[in-house]
Amino acid sequence: NAGVTQTPKFRILKIGQSMTLQCTQDMNHNYMYWYRQDPGMGLKLIYYSVGAGITDKGEVPNGYNVSRSTTEDFPLRLELAAPSQTSVYFCASTYSGGSNTEAFFGQGTRLTVV
Amino acid sequence: GDSVTQMEGPVTLSEEAFLTINCTYTATGYPSLFWYVQYPGEGLQLLLKATKADDKGSNKGFEATYRKETTSFHLEKGSVQVSDSAVYFCALIRMDSSYKLIFGSGTRLLVRP
Repeated sequence: NAGVTQTPKFRILKIGQSMTLQCTQDMNHNYMYWYRQDPGMGLKLIYYSVGAGITDKGEVPNGYNVSRSTTEDFPLRLELAAPSQTSVYFCASTYSGGSNTEAFFGQGTRLTVV
Repeated sequence: GDSVTQMEGPVTLSEEAFLTINCTYTATGYPSLFWYVQYPGEGLQLLLKATKADDKGSNKGFEATYRKETTSFHLEKGSVQVSDSAVYFCALIRMDSSYKLIFGSGTRLLVRP
């Protein structure tokens, strides 16, 4: 059982370049999330999805786009990378288990924009 | 809106010392509460959770009790080890259609031999 898998683990981008961070989960979870973690800070929600075909903005969506064509995959697209997007990105998924709901995280993607 | 506040770090302790990391929350309704741990260079792992008032979550010697009257979920461990050095995040999950996790800013724990 792989859980939540993110690729790549590390990436260096030049200003203005674009890239897609991949996230896939094999737990059949409806809910998926993208967070960013800046040094010494907590996690801020970028985008989330409550099911295939449905996405919504979180706290810090500017500069990012997402899509959710399947239950398993939730890629995060960066267009026109900026130094402010240097961060560690975490993908997470959860099931709607009521009070027993629990989130599972990927290992993260460390992105540097230079 | 919903929020989580936890004590600033870093917290530096000697091995076998007692640990407390404070966490308070603001939320509508009755969220579930979590502590996640992040070891250097790794992702977040669930440490423990509590789903209703007065529940005690526990794992690996860590404990936290869901206190509705003080809106708190403080993390404690009676005797820390060097291997406990990590960043600890308190979080709540919104019990609405989004099930979003709201995180505190994290507390770095450093345990010295």
